[in-house]
Amino acid sequence: NAGVTQTPKFQVLKTGQSMTLQCAQDMNHEYMSWYRQDPGMGLRLIHYSVGAGITDQGEVPNGYNVSRSTTEDFPLRLLSAAPSQTSVYFCASRNGWMNTEAFFGQGTRLTVV
Amino acid sequence: AQKVTQAQTEISVVEKEDVTLDCVYETRDTTYYLFWYKQPPSGELVFLIRRNSFDEQNEISGRYSWNFQKSTSSFNFTITASQVVDSAVYFCALFFQGAQKLVFGQGTRLTINP
Repeated sequence: NAGVTQTPKFQVLKTGQSMTLQCAQDMNHEYMSWYRQDPGMGLRLIHYSVGAGITDQGEVPNGYNVSRSTTEDFPLRLLSAAPSQTSVYFCASRNGWMNTEAFFGQGTRLTVV
Repeated sequence: AQKVTQAQTEISVVEKEDVTLDCVYETRDTTYYLFWYKQPPSGELVFLIRRNSFDEQNEISGRYSWNFQKSTSSFNFTITASQVVDSAVYFCALFFQGAQKLVFGQGTRLTINP
């Protein structure tokens, strides 16, 4: 029962570097999403996907790219990291339009120096 | 606008006290869902409860209870006889099917002191 798996758990980047946060789920869920968690602001939606090949922007998409080539994977790319992207990132998945229950990964703590 | 407000940023109580975490939401949707999640110091998000907009029955699960009132747009969470293990950040969240999004409140950090 792996559920939603995020890698890495921790990462330190220098400003301007690029990297990809990985997210994989083994529940055959259609919907996947990325959130960032910042102190005092709860979790905010970055990007989401309603199925393979379909992605859309959330509340705070700037500086991030996503793609969904398979049902299982939903990577989040930072093309040129900035200190403002220091945050904890959560990936979530759920099954179907009517199914509201979201399963979250363990989170990735990213620090940009 | 869809919004969730948790006005209590931090709460600190002594073990065995009862504590209520407030959650107020805004939405124009008639069909929506409300959630509570717990985030312990280890960082993961733990699902606690989901309630849909058509079900105003209060729910009790062990020491946890939830009071959903549509008239005041509130979905409050009470922990009875709190324990140190209840120390965590608690998030209230709103899901509205119109936009298929989960909107979180700012979170309440609850500290239970022995």
